[in-house]
Amino acid sequence: AQKITQTQPGMFVQEKEAVTLDCTYDTSDPSYGLFWYKQPSSGEMIFLIYQGSYDQQNATEGRYSLNFQKARKSANLVISASQLGDSAMYFCAMRLSSSNTGKLIFGQGTTLQVKP
Amino acid sequence: DVKVTQSSRYLVKRTGEKVFLECVQDMDHENMFWYRQDPGLGLRLIYFSYDVKMKEKGDIPEGYSVSREKKERFSLILESASTNQTSMYLCASSPLYEPQHFGDGTRLSIL
Repeated sequence: AQKITQTQPGMFVQEKEAVTLDCTYDTSDPSYGLFWYKQPSSGEMIFLIYQGSYDQQNATEGRYSLNFQKARKSANLVISASQLGDSAMYFCAMRLSSSNTGKLIFGQGTTLQVKP
Repeated sequence: DVKVTQSSRYLVKRTGEKVFLECVQDMDHENMFWYRQDPGLGLRLIYFSYDVKMKEKGDIPEGYSVSREKKERFSLILESASTNQTSMYLCASSPLYEPQHFGDGTRLSIL
């Protein structure tokens, strides 16, 4: 079954410290993409970072990096130097290349709170 | 920047009403999606469309229908609203194989 699992319902981090949000996935498709989205309390979903299953290097976007461990089927999001504005819900999602429509499968989400 | 606009941020309707949620995107994207978001369940796909007048069921289509008469507009219809359809509804659009861009969401309450 195709599934995304985020085991941390809530996380706290001190401002300026780094934090890792966990994501594991399950698929038998050889080709897939992994995404992270941020959802502030206002509700909009903001795309953060993407990792393709055949990408050799871990993706990075500014303070966001994706720790991709294919053998473990994990795609953890690392946020460096946390800021108060990082407080939000974070979703991991997977897109299967066998799906010709770009459909995403989402995890349950992790709520991150950054403490001043 | 891509803009996905949902017609309402908050909506309150009564049981049995026919409810329309509208979504418009301004980037000529082929794909459009409707999700609902519930605590502890993440986002679940209701319907998606990959072209005008083309639609496919997602994971939870029961009680919903959709309409895509123009490329930029994708409507979600609750045929006869029920209290278990109280939720946050999110619309998204994307070109094929690109990240999805989301609207701000509609918090729908069915009384």
